[in-house]
Amino acid sequence: DTEVTQTPKHLVMGMTNKKSLKCEQHMGHRAMYWYKQKAKKPPELMFVYSYEKLSINESVPSRFSPECPNSSLLNLHLHALQPEDSALYLCASSQISRNGEQFFGPGTRLTVL
Amino acid sequence: GQQVMQIPQYQHVQEGEDFTTYCNSSTTLSNIQWYKQRPGGHPVFLIQLVKSGEVKKQKRLTFQFGEAKKNSSLHITATQTTDVGTYFCAGSSTGFQKLVFGTGTRLLVSP
Repeated sequence: DTEVTQTPKHLVMGMTNKKSLKCEQHMGHRAMYWYKQKAKKPPELMFVYSYEKLSINESVPSRFSPECPNSSLLNLHLHALQPEDSALYLCASSQISRNGEQFFGPGTRLTVL
Repeated sequence: GQQVMQIPQYQHVQEGEDFTTYCNSSTTLSNIQWYKQRPGGHPVFLIQLVKSGEVKKQKRLTFQFGEAKKNSSLHITATQTTDVGTYFCAGSSTGFQKLVFGTGTRLLVSP
């Protein structure tokens, strides 16, 4: 299984809502990532988890809260988002090695009203 | 911070023509990866280059890593309509997990 799955595919939320994005992989990868991608822009790294511990936080606002409950799952909890947070949120995973090919999920398209 | 620029931003070619995208980093890279993202899709890994001056080929695609490990290129010979998409280089200089994506080159191929 070389697939990263993400749910939901689409999400519309108000600025006062709390929601969560979910990501799952069964490739045995011990590094997992969250990226944000705006239209016609490259993916921007948000968070990296290595061995289920947060290893990189790219100065992301606290309204985004990542969680890695186990080696296969990655969540992104959302609270009090702004309209400018509307984007495609991509999850990725990779081995912990220098051959760090990242496998991306299909993404969650988030709209904040 | 590290910046990775790609040129051109966009290229429209006729099927059968060649295509090249260039990637330049503001810092020396430990490795560079290339990804392709189809319209409405997600990035898909193409290749990784690690050594200075490295050249790798995948069928019609040729990838190069510069001698100074600050630039890279992707050349597609005889483009096909299936090559349509945005090509991103992505490099790391401070740790292999911290990839910085280039600005991307969007390729359109007309039959």
